[in-house]
Amino acid sequence: GQNIDQPTEMTATEGAIVQINCTYQTSGFNGLFWYQQHAGEAPTFLSYNVLDGLEEKGRFSSFLSRSKGYSYLLLKELQMKDSASYLCAGINSNYQLIWGAGTKLIIKP
Amino acid sequence: NAGVTQTPKFRVLKTGQSMTLLCAQDMNHEYMYWYRQDPGMGLRLIHYSVGEGTTAKGEVPDGYNVSRLKKQNFLLGLESAAPSQTSVYFCASRAGQEYQPQHFGDGTRLSIL
Repeated sequence: GQNIDQPTEMTATEGAIVQINCTYQTSGFNGLFWYQQHAGEAPTFLSYNVLDGLEEKGRFSSFLSRSKGYSYLLLKELQMKDSASYLCAGINSNYQLIWGAGTKLIIKP
Repeated sequence: NAGVTQTPKFRVLKTGQSMTLLCAQDMNHEYMYWYRQDPGMGLRLIHYSVGEGTTAKGEVPDGYNVSRLKKQNFLLGLESAAPSQTSVYFCASRAGQEYQPQHFGDGTRLSIL
């Protein structure tokens, strides 16, 4: 199968750092995308990883280990507006996305 | 720049009624997708299209039909709506190159009574 697993919910404090993990079965995926989705809105693209390692984009970074079937999204200097769901999606051999259920991130003052 | 536009935004149907959800993109994207999003589940692919005049089934195609007569439009039809089709429907598009991100519309919230 092509399951994508991520925690259902996480809580963090404004100004802190949080890491959202995503695991998947290693066979069949060519890379991994991260999207952000605010409640009642559309998913918006954050980052993608095709090769192993860390990709940094401002306050957000994403890491991939293809051999371990593991990725994480790192959010630094958390702001209240970062409260959202974060969706992890693997790219299959047809370049379609297989989506995790999302991690709801709650930011507290 | 409109990006991906979905109409309608909300709709309530009775069981057995039919309707068409419209998706339009102005980015000249080759690929277009229809997803449904249900609580506690990831986005699930209903149908997709790799270019004008082509369509293919995704993970959950039953009860839905699609058409892509023009490159910029992708239509999703429900022939006989069922309560199990109550969901939020998202359309997305992407450029043809590998690893291009999908761009999403704002969604259609559909309730079937």
